[in-house]
Amino acid sequence: GAVVSQHPSWVICKSGTSVKIECRSLDFQATTMFWYRQFPKQSLMLMATSNEGSKATYEQGVEKDKFLINHASLTLSTLTVTSAHPEDSSFYICSARQAVNEKLFFGSGTQLSVL
Amino acid sequence: GENVEQHPSTLSVQEGDSAVIKCTYSDSASNYFPWYKQELGKGPQLIIDIRSNVGEKKDQRIAVTLNKTAKHFSLHITETQPEDSAVYFCAASTILTGGGNKLTFGTGTQLKVEL
Repeated sequence: GAVVSQHPSWVICKSGTSVKIECRSLDFQATTMFWYRQFPKQSLMLMATSNEGSKATYEQGVEKDKFLINHASLTLSTLTVTSAHPEDSSFYICSARQAVNEKLFFGSGTQLSVL
Repeated sequence: GENVEQHPSTLSVQEGDSAVIKCTYSDSASNYFPWYKQELGKGPQLIIDIRSNVGEKKDQRIAVTLNKTAKHFSLHITETQPEDSAVYFCAASTILTGGGNKLTFGTGTQLKVEL
């Protein structure tokens, strides 16, 4: 299957700082990437859809000014959690859609802990 | 919007037995149904998928069946092994207004294969 690389795999930061998470499709071009949030023992919650060269589409209830998404190239999307607070602590996962067959491949996730 | 229900939430089987996980969906327009395996602390991994023009698909010990009329699909794992222990998510692909699609996930099934 296609490979999606996500970094960092875990990050600890102080409250009020910003954290950037990168998602790269290594062997295919992804015009669309998705960002999810997952709480322990729960399903994936879609936060936003990232389209290359255009603004991201955010799901209801997700603050676009807090979770900044940039999809500047066909292989890279970034999620920046701005002014992080302890309630932002979670497991964040990205995915990339392979255009040729519409299949979705996931990154390995980023565990964010805000102190 | 699409609603995907998944059962059971937990499943314990003896090594070598079969495991079956069932999902139902609400949007009759959904046409792509992937299954993902997620190990602790990792991102979901696509293990098998099926499209609406096919009723059954098999890949070694894993098979998926789809009943479009009843709007349900199932994952079957035969000859289970300890390494099959993980959380399994079903999903249904929903067509978005304006083009594109997004996945709606089930709530997950924690599968435990006991020796």
